[in-house]
Amino acid sequence: EVQLVESGGGLIQPGGSLRLSCAASGFSLSSHWMHWVRQVPGKGLMWVSRISQDGSTTTYADSVKGRFTISRDNVKNTVSLLMNSLRVEDTAFYYCVREVAANWFDPWGQGTLVSVSS
Amino acid sequence: DIQMTQSPSSLSASVGDTVKITCRASQTVSNYLNWYQQKAGKAPKVLISVGSTLQSGVPSRFSGSGSGTDFTLTISGVQPEDSATYYCQQSLNIPRTFGQGTVVEV
Repeated sequence: EVQLVESGGGLIQPGGSLRLSCAASGFSLSSHWMHWVRQVPGKGLMWVSRISQDGSTTTYADSVKGRFTISRDNVKNTVSLLMNSLRVEDTAFYYCVREVAANWFDPWGQGTLVSVSS
Repeated sequence: DIQMTQSPSSLSASVGDTVKITCRASQTVSNYLNWYQQKAGKAPKVLISVGSTLQSGVPSRFSGSGSGTDFTLTISGVQPEDSATYYCQQSLNIPRTFGQGTVVEV
């Protein structure tokens, strides 16, 4: 079964750092671009970041550029998102997603909640 | 960035109705348009990719159409289990962008 499982979310103060992890199973991670998408509770979906199959290319949404870093370990089958200088507005569920055929996202992980609050 | 606009924002339907959700892109996305369903408390799930390709396991009452800037998700004979929020997403450009969502209550 193709599966993505996120971990690492929690409550953090503004200005703090958090590292999210995504464990992939059931497919060859090295064959896919991987992304992070976030969702403020009760709101819509916002793309955050992506990383190429070999990790050589990364892209970020303007709102997180310079603060977030995406990485991957194709041997350990994991994708990570290091989030620094966290802001209240970063509070959201963070989903790890696999890109298929340079197009759609499937599957999505179950999401991990990041709450930034003092 | 390509802006995606869905309408309506919400709708209420009776079992067996045909429901149509539209998605408009601020510039052409060719057929790089996907539809996702998100049920309460769950992660989104892809329903339709590349404008009109039904994903494996998705009931045939779901269909997608359109190209360029205007797209439609149709649910023919809506069922209670179709109550969810539906999102369109363009996959032509980075950043990948989503519509604001359409809440469907059956």
